[in-house]
Amino acid sequence: NAGVMQNPRHLVRRRGQEARLRCSPMKGHSHVYWYRQLPEEGLKFMVYLQKENIIDESGMPKERFSAEFPKEGPSILRIQQVVRGDSAAYFCASSPLDRPNEKLFFGSGTQLSVL
Amino acid sequence: AQKITQTQPGMFVQEKEAVTLDCTYDTSDQSYGLFWYKQPSSGEMIFLIYQGSYDEQNATEGRYSLNFQKARKSANLVISASQLGDSAMYFCAIGSTAGGTSYGKLTFGQGTILTVHP
Repeated sequence: NAGVMQNPRHLVRRRGQEARLRCSPMKGHSHVYWYRQLPEEGLKFMVYLQKENIIDESGMPKERFSAEFPKEGPSILRIQQVVRGDSAAYFCASSPLDRPNEKLFFGSGTQLSVL
Repeated sequence: AQKITQTQPGMFVQEKEAVTLDCTYDTSDQSYGLFWYKQPSSGEMIFLIYQGSYDEQNATEGRYSLNFQKARKSANLVISASQLGDSAMYFCAIGSTAGGTSYGKLTFGQGTILTVHP
């Protein structure tokens, strides 16, 4: 049973380019969460999605960031016109949600470096 | 709003000894869950242990136990019989469990780096 799969593992972009980060949740999980970890800090919640729906995007920056979780395929976190401050590790997590006290299963993360 | 405070930036422990990592929290929710995650140098986030706010017994998972003191709002992680492979960053986190289900929007602390010496 494969875990949460994120790719790419490392992504290098120049300022002004677009970054696309992909996340495939665990089999049977239909809820996806994106977190960002800046250097020397803990993870910060960005967005919570279910299939074709954004449930909570209270942690998403207002500009340049968007997320989707289509009916088919992985969840995508998209960052347009990247800046150096976007350099961070981006983690995806999934859960089935419908069971109490269910822990989140995290992927291995994507390390984004903006040159 | 929820907040997690981990006051120990770094901790050292001798192999086979026990170590306690501190975590205090603040929340206005009546129903919540407390989590500990381990992040080794390879970067992945590994779930260790969970404690629900209404659980009367402290949670245990193998060598990990959670010392939950609700009145003090603390949820310290105890690792018994430390191993070299326990060297990692450890994060405490809190999430709302309104409605009896776990909601994956967690608030994390800054983390504690644990180093296990042989």
